Amino acid sequence: DVKVTQSSRYLVKRTGEKVFLECVQDMDHENMFWYRQDPGLGLRLIYFSYDVKMKEKGDIPEGYSVSREKKERFSLILESASTNQTSMYLCATREVNTEAFFGQGTRLTVV
Amino acid sequence: QKEVEQNSGPLSVPEGAIASLNCTYSDRVSQSFFWYRQYSGKSPELIMSIYSNGDKEDGRFTAQLNKASQYVSLLIRDSQPSDSATYLCAVFSSGAGSYQLTFGKGTKLSVIP
Repeated sequence: DVKVTQSSRYLVKRTGEKVFLECVQDMDHENMFWYRQDPGLGLRLIYFSYDVKMKEKGDIPEGYSVSREKKERFSLILESASTNQTSMYLCATREVNTEAFFGQGTRLTVV
Repeated sequence: QKEVEQNSGPLSVPEGAIASLNCTYSDRVSQSFFWYRQYSGKSPELIMSIYSNGDKEDGRFTAQLNKASQYVSLLIRDSQPSDSATYLCAVFSSGAGSYQLTFGKGTKLSVIP
């Protein structure tokens, strides 16, 4: 079974803090994604990566950056957390021509 | 921006009935189509994947794809209360070095015992 592990299930951070959300997959998949999910807005793509050190902006990249130094790890960085970044963050991984597998999600609250 | 639209719901069906969930997408070159189920507070889990026109059946679930109409649907036969969840339609497109996995906002299904 594919295992996608996000570093934290729940996280509380203060406004202005730099926040790191980590995602690790164990299946050597090339594609990795970061989404945020908000009520009424569905899953919105923040960034995705199709290979090591390769990244592409999704639909809502503002206020976020990403890092993929190793194939199995894709990190989402909130440079200066704000209250409007309070959300559920979901990491997903995918191999070509297969479905995406999700991590358990990180519920981030910025106070 | 690629778009995926789902019927807004919520959709309520009695136990044992057929639930029909619909999805349309805007990108004609979309290649792969998925239905995910998401229980409250949990991450999405895959129900069905479909890649070519026609029907694909797996147990009580049938996915239908019509690329000409840019339409994909999910039928749930003999609906059970445990099927009560939000169903997400997802579409994958790639080209020119770009990869997009786009989700609809989801349809909330309630199966009434």
